[in-house]
Amino acid sequence: QVQLVESGGGLVRPGGSLRLSCTASGFIFSDYYMSWIRQAPGKGLEWISYISDGGTSIYYADSVRGRFTISRDDAKNSLFLQMDSLRAEDTAVYYCAKIAIFGADYWGQGALVTVSS
Amino acid sequence: DIQMTQSPSSVSASVGDRVTLTCRASQDIRTWLAWYQQKPGKSPKLLIFAASSLQRGVPSRFTGRGSGTDFTLTISSLQPEDFATYYCQQANSFPFTFGPGTKVEIK
Repeated sequence: QVQLVESGGGLVRPGGSLRLSCTASGFIFSDYYMSWIRQAPGKGLEWISYISDGGTSIYYADSVRGRFTISRDDAKNSLFLQMDSLRAEDTAVYYCAKIAIFGADYWGQGALVTVSS
Repeated sequence: DIQMTQSPSSVSASVGDRVTLTCRASQDIRTWLAWYQQKPGKSPKLLIFAASSLQRGVPSRFTGRGSGTDFTLTISSLQPEDFATYYCQQANSFPFTFGPGTKVEIK
């Protein structure tokens, strides 16, 4: 069965950096777009980044463009999100998601990122 | 980017009630719409894709309808496990965007 497991969340000071990882199993990882979606405490869902199969197409939401970098390692069935210059408003649960043509058909359990001094 | 709106923002209902949630897109998205259910502390779960197709394993009491800009999600007979927040999401064009959600609460 499809599994997505995020890791790397935690507490970081404003201006700091953090790298999230997502390890996938149960499907041919290299064939699919993958995405990071976040949810601030008590708020809705925000699609912040995606990367195409092969990594040739990448999208960032305006809120993270220039600060976050998405990447993938198909040999390791892994997705990454490098987060730099973190701000308090980046505090959220970050979900890794597998993308089908209609949206996110599988989600990880989420990784909590807290940006606070 | 395509903007998504949902109404109502919350609804109170009883077990056994029929509940209809509405989602509207800022432009024509044909039937490129998905619905998700999220319970507190859990990841969202895909319920419906392509506006009306039921994801495998989702009970048949969930029905999606619509095309263009206006869509609905109907729960025909609300069950205790259905109390959750429901999000719509357009998949017509990147970036995919979510609506703000509708919370279904117990009356």
